[in-house]
Amino acid sequence: RKEVEQDPGPFNVPEGATVAFNCTYSNSASQSFFWYRQDCRKEPKLLMSVYSSGNEDGRFTAQLNRASQYISLLIRDSKLSDSATYLCVVNRDPEDGGSQGNLIFGKGTKLSVKP
Amino acid sequence: SAVISQKPSRDICQRGTSLTIQCQVDSQVTMMFWYRQQPGQSLTLIATANQGSEATYESGFVIDKFPISRPNLTFSTLTVSNMSPEDSSIYLCSVQQSRTSEQYFGPGTRLTVT
Repeated sequence: RKEVEQDPGPFNVPEGATVAFNCTYSNSASQSFFWYRQDCRKEPKLLMSVYSSGNEDGRFTAQLNRASQYISLLIRDSKLSDSATYLCVVNRDPEDGGSQGNLIFGKGTKLSVKP
Repeated sequence: SAVISQKPSRDICQRGTSLTIQCQVDSQVTMMFWYRQQPGQSLTLIATANQGSEATYESGFVIDKFPISRPNLTFSTLTVSNMSPEDSSIYLCSVQQSRTSEQYFGPGTRLTVT
């Protein structure tokens, strides 16, 4: 099982649509979870951290299910500017041989929002 | 979040040569990291740049190939040594302020080896 798996996409949606991305992770000891977005030929930018209680930032809602080792990102009322690749990111447990702060990136899900 | 710059932003290099990439942060940061993103792939951690001591390398990456310096809390360099076309990639530095906070990335260095 890959350490972080995401829907491969691409997701092609019209403006105003609601879209959901899913992600599963293999290391039950992981403690930190994030969603990053990466525009074409740019660096990843932190979109939001994901907390156990779930969190919302405007049109974006992230949820974490530790029992299922599952993370989701919901985007409501999609905008053209939301078009990007969305990366699910999990930290590696340092006791698993990873260095402190070692982040494991999923391969990303590409979103294309059309007019 | 900290402002991170990298130099050069891109370069085209010949096989067998070396390139040193610089990462500068506008404030002191606890941790700095170097990642690689190969074409069409996600990010892979190369190493953690430790201030005042040797970098901590991930499996598959060695100091002879990717020597790293971190002389202070705002600056680090990554050298890609004896380059081959397989080293063509985007190299990114990132910073983290504390053990539990998020990482922020520099704009990356796009390297092409011919």
